[in-house]
Amino acid sequence: NAGVTQTPKFQVLKTGQSMTLQCAQDMNHNSMYWYRQDPGMGLRLIYYSASEGTTDKGEVPNGYNVSRLNKREFSLRLESAAPSQTSVYFCASSEGPGGYPTDTQYFGPGTRLTVL
Amino acid sequence: QKEVEQNSGPLSVPEGAIASLNCTYSDRGSQSFFWYRQYSGKSPELIMFIYSNGDKEDGRFTAQLNKASQYVSLLIRDSQPSDSATYLCAVVIIQGAQKLVFGQGTRLTINP
Repeated sequence: NAGVTQTPKFQVLKTGQSMTLQCAQDMNHNSMYWYRQDPGMGLRLIYYSASEGTTDKGEVPNGYNVSRLNKREFSLRLESAAPSQTSVYFCASSEGPGGYPTDTQYFGPGTRLTVL
Repeated sequence: QKEVEQNSGPLSVPEGAIASLNCTYSDRGSQSFFWYRQYSGKSPELIMFIYSNGDKEDGRFTAQLNKASQYVSLLIRDSQPSDSATYLCAVVIIQGAQKLVFGQGTRLTINP
């Protein structure tokens, strides 16, 4: 089992460009999450999906959109990247459904995004 | 007041000693608490969770919860250089819509 996988590992964008971060899990989990991690800020939830077909906003959703493509995959899209979105992005999953916020979460390796 | 607070460190502990990491939280009604370990450049991984007051032991790790004082701590006995990492405390906040809030993490260095 690969667990939670994310692509790409690194990305550099110019202000205004768009991109999609991909996440997939092979643990048959129902709930999936997107976080960002900034120095001194801890992990902050962007969006989550309690089950296939549902998505909900987290603490910092502005500037992002998500798609729960199927049970395995949950993508994060930046429509018009801004320097403030420079961060490390983590995808996570939990058994669920509706596992947030009490389920144990399993994290992917992260995507380091720089917006110039 | 931050919902979950940790001393960012760095905390330096000699090899073989006990490392003590602390976390305080603001929501008196919180019931679920997690400790994650994050190596530099890697993703967080769960070490322990605790729901009840008192101590919970797992190998060299002990989580301690004191709901009256609103703090949760993680003790690492017989610290090893491989324990050098950032430790994240996470608390389920139930005021308003329930959410999982992470502290900013404490960077721990074990010195050989």
